[in-house]
Amino acid sequence: NAGVTQTPKFRILKIGQSMTLQCTQDMNHNYMYWYRQDPGMGLKLIYYSVGAGITDKGEVPNGYNVSRSTTEDFPLRLELAAPSQTSVYFCASSYRPEGGPLFFGPGTRLTVL
Amino acid sequence: AQKITQTQPGMFVQEKEAVTLDCTYDTSDPSYGLFWYKQPSSGEMIFLIYQGSYDQQNATEGRYSLNFQKARKSANLVISASQLGDSAMYFCAMREGLNNNDMRFGAGTRLTVKP
Repeated sequence: NAGVTQTPKFRILKIGQSMTLQCTQDMNHNYMYWYRQDPGMGLKLIYYSVGAGITDKGEVPNGYNVSRSTTEDFPLRLELAAPSQTSVYFCASSYRPEGGPLFFGPGTRLTVL
Repeated sequence: AQKITQTQPGMFVQEKEAVTLDCTYDTSDPSYGLFWYKQPSSGEMIFLIYQGSYDQQNATEGRYSLNFQKARKSANLVISASQLGDSAMYFCAMREGLNNNDMRFGAGTRLTVKP
């Protein structure tokens, strides 16, 4: 099992550009999440999904969009990138919400200049 | 208001000694889960240990144990027999209620193990 994979590992964007961060898991988990981690801080939830076709906002959703067409994939879309979106982005999945730990991908380091 | 508070930005411990990383939390929900994650310098997030609010005993996983004091709303992580590879950031996190998908993280504690 590869677990949770994310691409790309690193990306530099110019202000106003758009991009999609890819996330795939092979553990057949229904629950998937996108977090961002700003320097020296903990993680904040951007969006989550409880299954294919179902997504919902987390704590910091502004400037992002997600889709969940399959159980395996949960891409995060950044439209009109801003310097405030410079962060490390983690995708995670879990098999159940209560008591279930999150399994994280390796992260994507994004810089917006 | 902060849901998870980690008051120690940095900690040092001598190799082979035990260390306690503090975590306090704030919730009015009787049902919640507490988690600890390790983030080495390579950046990945590694799940260490879980404690449910209704669990009667403190959770243990190998050299990790969670000192759960419900009345004080604290969930400290104890690492016994520290190893050089334990040097990392450690995050405390909480998920409130049942079927709640928002796991809140503390700001983290950077642990350095000295040889």
